[in-house]
Amino acid sequence: KAGVTQTPRYLIKTRGQQVTLSCSPISGHRSVSWYQQTPGQGLQFLFEYFSETQRNKGNFPGRFSGRQFSNSRSEMNVSTLELGDSALYLCASSWVVTSTDTQYFGPGTRLTVL
Amino acid sequence: AQSVTQLGSHVSVSEGALVLLRCNYSSSVPPYLFWYVQYPNQGLQLLLKYTSAATLVKGINGFEAEFKKSETSFHLTKPSAHMSDAAEYFCAVSFPSGNTPLVFGKGTRLSVIA
Repeated sequence: KAGVTQTPRYLIKTRGQQVTLSCSPISGHRSVSWYQQTPGQGLQFLFEYFSETQRNKGNFPGRFSGRQFSNSRSEMNVSTLELGDSALYLCASSWVVTSTDTQYFGPGTRLTVL
Repeated sequence: AQSVTQLGSHVSVSEGALVLLRCNYSSSVPPYLFWYVQYPNQGLQLLLKYTSAATLVKGINGFEAEFKKSETSFHLTKPSAHMSDAAEYFCAVSFPSGNTPLVFGKGTRLSVIA
């Protein structure tokens, strides 16, 4: 069974640009969550989608957005990039409710903002 | 608000020695607790989880953790460290009621010395 896949794995952008990251969950999983990982702040929750609906959102500015498609694949978008957005962005999928269900993580997309 | 504290950002042990990684949580309701491991350039992998069944939880790769409500702790142990255990370990908490995402600790980097 294929795991969670994220594309691209590495990305370099400049300040002010926008970026879209993609996540394909494990087959059958309907919930997708996104996290930002930085050395200073650690792992921070961005948002969670279930059946194309955003169920939960972390404390991030509106420049961070996401969506989920009918096949459960998810994308997240960051507009007007700032240097502080440089991070590893992790996607995780689970069958249903993420609070009790095991989340399976992808390898992440490493975003560097210059 | 719920939170997780991992004592020690870096732990170093000799190969064959006991591994003890500490995790304390703060919560007003019974939590679910998780330990994840992250190897370099990879996503997070679940080691074990506590979801209100047995308080001593056995996970993969010989790790186990014990939920101690009186101490609000969920420390991770392994009797004998192996070089391949060198990685970053994250403790996380969630709650069975309500729609709450995982809250992660800052992580503990484990080094294993030959």
